[in-house]
Amino acid sequence: AQKVTQAQTEISVVEKEDVTLDCVYETRDTTYYLFWYKQPPSGELVFLIRRNSFDEQNEISGRYSWNFQKSTSSFNFTITASQVVDSAVYFCALGSGNTGKLIFGQGTTLQVKP
Amino acid sequence: DTAVSQTPKYLVTQMGNDKSIKCEQNLGHDTMYWYKQDSKKFLKIMFSYNNKELIINETVPNRFSPKSPDKAHLNLHINSLELGDSAVYFCASSQVPGGAVDTQYFGPGTRLTVL
Repeated sequence: AQKVTQAQTEISVVEKEDVTLDCVYETRDTTYYLFWYKQPPSGELVFLIRRNSFDEQNEISGRYSWNFQKSTSSFNFTITASQVVDSAVYFCALGSGNTGKLIFGQGTTLQVKP
Repeated sequence: DTAVSQTPKYLVTQMGNDKSIKCEQNLGHDTMYWYKQDSKKFLKIMFSYNNKELIINETVPNRFSPKSPDKAHLNLHINSLELGDSAVYFCASSQVPGGAVDTQYFGPGTRLTVL
């Protein structure tokens, strides 16, 4: 069975703190993809990153960085020097197989206080 | 310039009514999806269509019927609405055809409230 677990339901930090959002996944497929999406208070879902199972290189994009570790089935997301505009619900998702569907985690609500 | 659009953004209706939500994408993508986000923010796939052909139907009550007149449109019709149908419904699209995994781009969502 495929599953994505985001154990942190809510995180609250003060602006400029670093914060890491955890994501653990389960799949028996050898080829799969992992995603992060952001859902700000306005409600839309914004794509942040996609990683395939054969590429374990960490990625950095500005203040955002992602750590993919197959050995622990984790794909964690770190925001450096958080800002109030980072306040949102963040979803980790897993895609594999031949249907294209994404399995989403429960989401982590991040609140960044000024 | 909107990539994936949905109408209406808000929909308030009485139990038992029939309603439709429309989705259009101008990205030239081959595959479109409907997701339901419940009150706890949990996102779950409902349907996907690849070039007008149904790919996924995830144990959704048959009161929900997707319709894809062409590959740029995927509408969702809901019959006999129930209180439990209240949710935010998201349309999404992805480029790769044939059911392969690809990045999905989401519409703004439609908040359905059943009274």
